[in-house]
Amino acid sequence: DQQVKQNSPSLSVQEGRISILNCDYTNSMFDYFLWYKKYPAEGPTFLISISSIKDKNEDGRFTVFLNKSAKHLSLHIVPSQPGDSAVYFCAASLSGGYQKVTFGTGTKLQVIP
Amino acid sequence: EADIYQTPRYLVIGTGKKITLECSQTMGHDKMYWYQQDPGMELHLIHYSYGVNSTEKGDLSSESTVSRIRTEHFPLTLESARPSHTSQYLCASSEISGGAYEQYFGPGTRLTVT
Repeated sequence: DQQVKQNSPSLSVQEGRISILNCDYTNSMFDYFLWYKKYPAEGPTFLISISSIKDKNEDGRFTVFLNKSAKHLSLHIVPSQPGDSAVYFCAASLSGGYQKVTFGTGTKLQVIP
Repeated sequence: EADIYQTPRYLVIGTGKKITLECSQTMGHDKMYWYQQDPGMELHLIHYSYGVNSTEKGDLSSESTVSRIRTEHFPLTLESARPSHTSQYLCASSEISGGAYEQYFGPGTRLTVT
């Protein structure tokens, strides 16, 4: 049973436009959400996170939105740049314990120059 | 800048061989993790450790074993490799306290068992 779902395996966006990556989760107990970026032949790199007590977190060109009632979060990248081309993983975590992180299957973003 | 290292980066090995995948971090993190990832799939946690002499199995059943004798070192061993073990193995670490759950990942080891 996949608790974190990224239903779009790929996304293509023109340079300078907005990229919107979506993620749905099923476990209402998740209280911390993260986005990771992964380039080929490299490990994932942490990008941005959001606590369940917030509905928005912004860091430069990256903004994550959380809709708890819909169990949905999204990552907005504005403006998109060719260097943003990578696989983006959504992840969710439960506080306490060993900080288990559940990952989605990833969305491959291609930013076209 | 995260400093977590994995060796080898790529490994092709025959069935039945014993292998050890190395993972080291220089950040002094107490928590370390091993994930397995197949192409187009999510990362599956196979082992984790709270600290020295602490190891636990993750969500995905794995025939591999781990050890944590030193804080900075978290090797993974397969006693007898099989083709079904072909995958990418990612090591990660994180701090034990605080509200942030960011894990820092190594570059991964791509294992192919023939």
